[in-house]
Amino acid sequence: EPEVTQTPSHQVTQMGQEVILRCVPISNHLYFYWYRQILGQKVEFLVSFYNNEISEKSEIFDDQFSVERPDGSNFTLKIRSTKLEDSAMYFCASRLRTSGGDNEQFFGPGTRLTVL
Amino acid sequence: AQKITQTQPGMFVQEKEAVTLDCTYDTSDQSYGLFWYKQPSSGEMIFLIYQGSYDEQNATEGRYSLNFQKARKSANLVISASQLGDSAMYFCAMREGRTGANSKLTFGKGITLSVRP
Repeated sequence: EPEVTQTPSHQVTQMGQEVILRCVPISNHLYFYWYRQILGQKVEFLVSFYNNEISEKSEIFDDQFSVERPDGSNFTLKIRSTKLEDSAMYFCASRLRTSGGDNEQFFGPGTRLTVL
Repeated sequence: AQKITQTQPGMFVQEKEAVTLDCTYDTSDQSYGLFWYKQPSSGEMIFLIYQGSYDEQNATEGRYSLNFQKARKSANLVISASQLGDSAMYFCAMREGRTGANSKLTFGKGITLSVRP
């Protein structure tokens, strides 16, 4: 069964460093998302991406964050200068299409980011 | 106001029994979707079930069913014949508006379910 994959599973970085979290969505999916979950808290929306551009972003997704789909398969989240409060599990998700069912977003296994 | 409310702090159920996990939601949209996800201790998010606001029948997926009461704005998850592997965190989530590119999900805080042998 096709699945969303994410690498790395765990990333440790120093405060102020740049990190890139990578995702490979399900191949025929058209809509892509990043969410984050601070330990013990609820999952929060960061950004949605469709047709090679950002569709919507949350207040969390400030100028330090960017997303890219560089090669038609990968979907990346970049944090330019990490802060301690960026420590969280980051989930990538993808969805097939707009209507006619298939509403669910399929989540990847997550990347646990630890900022020291 | 919270868009998704899950107030049960932790639930326990005996193996093979049924359990209901509560979820209430708040939206002014007429078109919306409700989702339940399971998060085991390993951390991944597993889609369980979906209910559209215009669906006339309650959604069912195997042992999972959704008790959708639109007037009360509740979307409770019912798990029948609980198994030990059902022990996990369960999140209720909502998509507001019609399905489209901006179909972000808003999650509740989650409920921990523990299944006792």
